[in-house]
Parts: sequence; structure tokens; C-alpha cells
Amino acid sequence: GDSVTQMEGPVTLSEEAFLTINCTYTATGYPSLFWYVQYPGEGLQLLLKATKADDKGSNKGFEATYRKETTSFHLEKGSVQVSDSAVYFCALSDWGSGGSNYKLTFGKGTLLTVNP
Amino acid sequence: GAVVSQHPSRVICKSGTSVKIECRSLDFQATTMFWYRQFPKQSLMLMATSNEGSKATYEQGVEKDKFLINHASLTLSTLTVTSAHPEDSSFYICSVGLAGFPGELFFGEGSRLTVL
Repeated sequence: GDSVTQMEGPVTLSEEAFLTINCTYTATGYPSLFWYVQYPGEGLQLLLKATKADDKGSNKGFEATYRKETTSFHLEKGSVQVSDSAVYFCALSDWGSGGSNYKLTFGKGTLLTVNP
Repeated sequence: GAVVSQHPSRVICKSGTSVKIECRSLDFQATTMFWYRQFPKQSLMLMATSNEGSKATYEQGVEKDKFLINHASLTLSTLTVTSAHPEDSSFYICSVGLAGFPGELFFGEGSRLTVL
């Protein structure tokens, strides 16, 4: 079945540091890939997405590129801020193989703490 | 996007009692809602798909008699944890999808259940 593996946290960085959170996946079809973010006390919200190979999703300074050859979707940001402290979830939606296009498979989440 | 609200955000109950969690779609009509469960330091696991006016579809391993789902209107789905036990303590999150946003989900804030 489908699965998502992301680096375990917690990750602690200083403000303006470079961030990478690794994410790899396995899927039988043609998945769309997502990064969701959960700020303290809030629900999950979509951060960025990519729907096909070589697509780059970007939002709020975060980027991730859909790499089919390495089955990866690593999240990066060049300069993190304290306000980026949150839990980040990598996820896939594999609807090309007949799965529901709303059924998401999530990684375990990575807690990021950014210190001033 | 869509605005999804859950109530209550936190609930504590005694073992053996039943607890109802509400999920409301505030700004659009949702024929389908999704209920997830999140354990500490674990990924989100899809429990069931709630369908307006029909029976919910449960994921493998989820007890449908333990976790009752009712989707009586296009803006409200409820999850009732029946005869709750301490092992049912968890974070329950509902979400909705939107046509035109394949694979994306919009999440409620979540409801933390603690069973004593």
C-alpha cells in the first residue's frame, strides 16, 4: 500500500537558518504530494502541493519538488522564522490508481522549533 | 478554501460514557467529511468517510459500533465515541474536500478526548 516516510524530529533551528525536512513515499499509482502544517493550537492547513513529476510547490518561502526518480518531496526554506515553528506533515493522494482523490496518507509529522 | 469547525476542542469523560464530537462546515455544503485520529507522535489515520444521508464508510480495523458517525445535514457530521475507554483517548480531527481541489483537505481544529 501507499506510505509516506518523513524525517523524525524534533528539529530545532535558530532564526534565519536553512531548513530541510526529508520526505519519501511509496505509491502504486500517480500520487499528488502535499505538505501540511499544524501551528500550535490550530488545525492542519495545506502549505504546498505538487501534482506531477518535476513540479515545484511553493508557499510562504517554503518549496518542495516532486522527484519521481527518488520518490521524494523534501521541504526546504532558506531562512526560517520563529513563526514557522509548527508540525509539518508530508502526505500523498494516490488517485491515479483508482484511490479516492480525497484519501490522504500522512507521514508521522516533524516538529520544528525555531528559536530567536 | 473551506472553513471547518469542531466542537468541543477538549473533552474529558469517565470510562464507560459516550462522547459526541461535532464537525461543521461553515461556508459550504459538504456531502463528504473525513474523520481522522491522531496519536501522540504518530501520523493521522483515517478512521472513516462520512457521507451525507447515508452510512459512513469505515477503514479496516475501525470498530463501527464503537465510533458512530452521523452526517445528517450538508454542514454537520458527528462522531460519537461509545462506551469510551482510556485507550480511546486521542486527538480526533475532521476534514472536508472541495471539488476543484483534488486531494486537498481542509481540517477542523481537532478535538482532544481524554478518558479517565
